[in-house]
Amino acid sequence: AAGVIQSPRHLIKEKRETATLKCYPIPRHDTVYWYQQGPGQDPQFLISFYEKMQSDKGSIPDRFSAQQFSDYHSELNMSSLELGDSALYFCASRRGNNEQFFGPGTRLTVL
Amino acid sequence: AQTVTQSQPEMSVQEAETVTLSCTYDTSESNYYLFWYKQPPSRQMILVIRQEAYKQQNATENRFSVNFQKAAKSFSLKISDSQLGDTAMYFCAFIDTTSGTYKYIFGTGTRLKVLA
Repeated sequence: AAGVIQSPRHLIKEKRETATLKCYPIPRHDTVYWYQQGPGQDPQFLISFYEKMQSDKGSIPDRFSAQQFSDYHSELNMSSLELGDSALYFCASRRGNNEQFFGPGTRLTVL
Repeated sequence: AQTVTQSQPEMSVQEAETVTLSCTYDTSESNYYLFWYKQPPSRQMILVIRQEAYKQQNATENRFSVNFQKAAKSFSLKISDSQLGDTAMYFCAFIDTTSGTYKYIFGTGTRLKVLA
């Protein structure tokens, strides 16, 4: 069965650079979630989209933005990167029932 | 605000024995879902078990079962016949179904080590 795809899997950036993380949900899933998991921490909700519209927003810095496109894939754009942005970024998708399906994550390292 | 608390940062268990991981949560809602996720060293989030709050029967998935106490707002995970592959970080997660967005709220996790 198809799973959630995230790219890239690993990303290394310098401070003040920009990064773009991509998420391809499971086919026919209409809701996408982004979570940030810092080292030794639990995943924290950043933002979600339903049918290409932002549906909820968590503790997402103003330097970050995201959108969901017509094919339902989503991109998380991160600018002016800081050392503290180093984390594992999960995308999850859902349709219908209440379980979210997680992608493998993108490990971002900011040097 | 909804919160999820896991009071055991680390636990260990001998292979083939049983271990119980604790989770409590706080909500004023009556309709919600609870989950246990496993995160092995690969960091992949793997669903272990789910429980709907309206169901009185405790969920079971093979060696994994929960003790859901709605009045006490407690949701513990029991792992029977522990295996080395169960070594992982375990997160309890809560969804408030009335929020409309069904986002997860996670506990801080319990690191479980199964000893040979």
